[in-house]
Parts: sequence; C-alpha cells; structure tokens
Amino acid sequence: AQSVTQPDIHITVSEGASLELRCNYSYGATPYLFWYVQSPGQGLQLLLKYFSGDTLVQGIKGFEAEFKRSQSSFNLRKPSVHWSDAAEYFCAVGPRGNEKLTFGTGTRLTIIP
Amino acid sequence: GAGVSQSPSNKVTEKGKDVELRCDPISGHTALYWYRQSLGQGLEFLIYFQGNSAPDKSGLPSDRFSAERTGGSVSTLTIQRTQQEDSAVYLCASSLASGATDTQYFGPGTRLTVL
Repeated sequence: AQSVTQPDIHITVSEGASLELRCNYSYGATPYLFWYVQSPGQGLQLLLKYFSGDTLVQGIKGFEAEFKRSQSSFNLRKPSVHWSDAAEYFCAVGPRGNEKLTFGTGTRLTIIP
Repeated sequence: GAGVSQSPSNKVTEKGKDVELRCDPISGHTALYWYRQSLGQGLEFLIYFQGNSAPDKSGLPSDRFSAERTGGSVSTLTIQRTQQEDSAVYLCASSLASGATDTQYFGPGTRLTVL
C-alpha cells in the first residue's frame, strides 16, 4: 500500500529565511504528487503538483518542489518565507489509475519575526 | 466562482446520536470526495463519488458510516450511533472529473465533536 511520510511535525523559521519541508513516499511506481497548504480555519489549497516531466515544479505563492525518484522524495521549498506562510502543509500521493489521495500527517510551519 | 461549501461548520453531538454532514461541490464537478482529519493524524480518505455512484468506499471505517450523492451534486455523509472516536474534521473535496490528475478542491470542513 502507498504511504507518505512527513518527518517534521513542526518547523520554525525566521521571516525571510529559506524553507524546506520534507516528504517521502512509498509506492511501487511513480505516483502523482501534491503539496497542499491548510491555514487555520480554512480548507486545503493546492500549492503544486507533479505528474511527469520536469522534476522541478513551480507552484503558487513562490513555492517549488523537486521530485527525486532515487530518494522517493518530493520536498517543498521556498527561498524566503513570509509571515503569511505560517500554516500546516500536507504532502499527498495519488497512485496512477486511483482516485483517492493518501496524505502525510502534515508539517506545521511557524514563522518568527 | 463559489468554492466547495460544507455545513454545518461545527457539530456537537452526544454519543449514540446520528449526524448528517453536507457537502455542496463546485458546480460542474463530477467527482466528489470525503476525507477525515483527526487530531494528530493526516487526512484519511473515506469515499469518493463519480456522479452519483461510489466506486470506492474502501475508506469508510465501519458500517455506521454511509454517504450518498444525489443529482450529481450535493452529498451527505451520515454517521449513525456516533462514538467519541468519530470526533474529527470531515473534509469534502470536488474535482472536474475523477482521477488523481484532476485537482481536488477542498471545502472548509465540518468539525464534529462527539461528547
């Protein structure tokens, strides 16, 4: 069965600093990969997704993610975080031919001034 | 345009009671999904609909949980004889069609508390 691991439960970074959130997946083939963000009291918003092709994917709000097949990883990055980026971030996989998404347990991001 | 809406936003109920949670998907979206987000857990898939049919009910945790969708639009998730472990945020999502390539748009969720 597929699984997603987000090893960092909580990360704190200073405003303006760079950010990397880790995501590792387990699946027999290359899945579809997603990053979602959930702000307090809000639903999940899609940041970016990877299906195939270029392994560096650009998303909204200045985020990017890189798919590394050899490491089964899909880490999310941002060069300079803003206070408004404080939220919970979820990595998800959707196996080809399957409709449901499997989510990681999330990483809560705190931004300090 | 309007996004996915869910009602109620909060529901407090007593153990043993039945509850109904409603989801209004984005107009024109044929696929609809239910997920559950428990404290300290990720999002757990429950069921998805393509039109009014539910090809995948594999995530429903027990036979106390059921869902239906009518007119290819509104969906209701029903939990019978609620238990305290049912306390969670129930999220609904919709997409233009089914398939993992189609972006799922999420509603704000219904927070269910079972006392």
